[in-house]
Amino acid sequence: DVKVTQSSRYLVKRTGEKVFLECVQDMDHENMFWYRQDPGLGLRLIYFSYDVKMKEKGDIPEGYSVSREKKERFSLILESASTNQTSMYLCASLAGTWETQYFGPGTRLLVL
Amino acid sequence: RKEVEQDPGPFNVPEGATVAFNCTYSNSASQSFFWYRQDCRKEPKLLMSVYSSGNEDGRFTAQLNRASQYISLLIRDSKLSDSATYLCVVNRDDKIIFGKGTRLHILP
Repeated sequence: DVKVTQSSRYLVKRTGEKVFLECVQDMDHENMFWYRQDPGLGLRLIYFSYDVKMKEKGDIPEGYSVSREKKERFSLILESASTNQTSMYLCASLAGTWETQYFGPGTRLLVL
Repeated sequence: RKEVEQDPGPFNVPEGATVAFNCTYSNSASQSFFWYRQDCRKEPKLLMSVYSSGNEDGRFTAQLNRASQYISLLIRDSKLSDSATYLCVVNRDDKIIFGKGTRLHILP
């Protein structure tokens, strides 16, 4: 079974703090993704990566950056957290274009 | 027009009933299709892929209509545990597009 893990299930941070969200997958998948999910807005793609050290902007990259130093690990960074970044963050991995995505359990981030 | 659209619901359905919902997509170049299920405060999980010829998995049937550009999910003999949000997913080129989901409540 594919396993995607995220570093925290719940996180509370203050405005202006730097926040790191980590995601690890154990199936040697090439592609990894970061989404945020908000009520009424569905899943929105922040960044994705199709290989080590490669990254591509998704639909809402502003205020975020990512890092993929190793194939199994994809980190999302909020350089200076703001209250509008309070959300559920979901990481996913994918073997190939026509395959299915596997999601981590999500991190609920609250920015005060 | 959004690329993938779903009726947000909620669909309130008595236990044991049959329920169906559709997902429309706007780009005829879309190539693969999936239904995901998401329980409250949990991550989405694959329910089933949708094949051109239609496919069935137990009480669940998925169909694809390329001419009218929609996919459907039919749930027979619904159970309380089927209560969830059902997300339609469409892959096109290298892009994965999620619908916003349809909420289903199965009533005892």
